[in-house]
Amino acid sequence: DAGVTQSPTHLIKTRGQQVTLRCSPKSGHDTVSWYQQALGQGPQFIFQYYEEEERQRGNFPDRFSGHQFPNYSSELNVNALLLGDSALYLCASSLPGTGNGYTFGSGTRLTVV
Amino acid sequence: RKEVEQDPGPFNVPEGATVAFNCTYSNSASQSFFWYRQDCRKEPKLLMSVYSSGNEDGRFTAQLNRASQYISLLIRDSKLSDSATYLCVVRGAGGSYIPTFGRGTSLIVHP
Repeated sequence: DAGVTQSPTHLIKTRGQQVTLRCSPKSGHDTVSWYQQALGQGPQFIFQYYEEEERQRGNFPDRFSGHQFPNYSSELNVNALLLGDSALYLCASSLPGTGNGYTFGSGTRLTVV
Repeated sequence: RKEVEQDPGPFNVPEGATVAFNCTYSNSASQSFFWYRQDCRKEPKLLMSVYSSGNEDGRFTAQLNRASQYISLLIRDSKLSDSATYLCVVRGAGGSYIPTFGRGTSLIVHP
């Protein structure tokens, strides 16, 4: 039973570029949440997707957008990258309705130069 | 004030020591509480849930004080493998299922 899988594992981008990160949830999970974790900080909530719609959003600018597909997988897109966007991006999936069973993928480490 | 506050440490302790971490949260309507463990450059993993009556899992004991909005984690007989960052997590204020993470407390257990 595959857990949460994220791709790519590492990425280097230049300021101003755009990036797309991908996440496949754990089997049986239908809700996907994205977090940004800067060095030395805890994960910060970006947004959550359920039934292909953004259900909740944290305090992140519109440069951060996402999508969920019918198979529950999800993408995180970041436009006009800034140096401060360098971080570990974590995807977490959870069980339908309750938010229980929160399970993280191993993350994508994004470096913006 | 941050929603979830933790002392970042690091806590540097010898093997066999007992160490305690504290965490405070700002929203009194929070419903669920957890401790996660995060190893260096890895994803967070659930260590244990925290229940109102307090709960224990082997060498780990978690306590919740709703009146003071305070959560604690006690680790007894520390092992080298306990070295990690411990994240305090709060969920459920206003019916939200979104967990809010503290910045984590770093623990280093040395021989």
